[in-house]
Amino acid sequence: QKEVEQDPGPLSVPEGAIVSLNCTYSNSAFQYFMWYRQYSRKGPELLMYTYSSGNKEDGRFTAQVDKSSKYISLFIRDSQPSDSATYLCAMNTGGFKTIFGAGTRLFVKA
Amino acid sequence: GAVVSQHPSWVICKSGTSVKIECRSLDFQATTMFWYRQFPKQSLMLMATSNEGSKATYEQGVEKDKFLINHASLTLSTLTVTSAHPEDSSFYICSASLGQGALGYGYTFGSGTRLTVV
Repeated sequence: QKEVEQDPGPLSVPEGAIVSLNCTYSNSAFQYFMWYRQYSRKGPELLMYTYSSGNKEDGRFTAQVDKSSKYISLFIRDSQPSDSATYLCAMNTGGFKTIFGAGTRLFVKA
Repeated sequence: GAVVSQHPSWVICKSGTSVKIECRSLDFQATTMFWYRQFPKQSLMLMATSNEGSKATYEQGVEKDKFLINHASLTLSTLTVTSAHPEDSSFYICSASLGQGALGYGYTFGSGTRLTVV
């Protein structure tokens, strides 16, 4: 079993839709949870960062962490074609080693 | 914001030759940099952790003699793929830790290097 599971998609939605991206994990020691966006042939860029459980909102993006269920989510409101990318979840126990999910490919159709 | 510059963005080389990839932190000092490998539609696989002034720490299964890492300064880490073979063809990405604080253990990534060995 992988430490972090993420559905690779692809996920295709119409412009303006609410997108829900999710990851599950098995290591209860994870404390730091991150979401990265990666455009094709580019390095990932940090979108959201959350420590422990709870919600965090930044513009159209909301990150949720449920440690009791070992489940994290990223919601994108009013999705735009420019949001089309691969979204990777990532987790860390507090050390330097971060575990990444496989990434979910998102396509937002105009 | 913190920027990591990675060069080259793509390279094609002949089997048996060596290729060097550079990763520079442009506006901050990075005592620790990381090197990843990414296969199509797969996750980032950590290859090694590079610490300035000391030997890199390699992940299990990564050949130290094949993937040489040098972190000679606080702003530069290099990955050299020695005696490259077609199976080494991949997307290589470096990143630098932003350290503790507001961003915790978030990373800034380079733009990646597409290596094709023919």
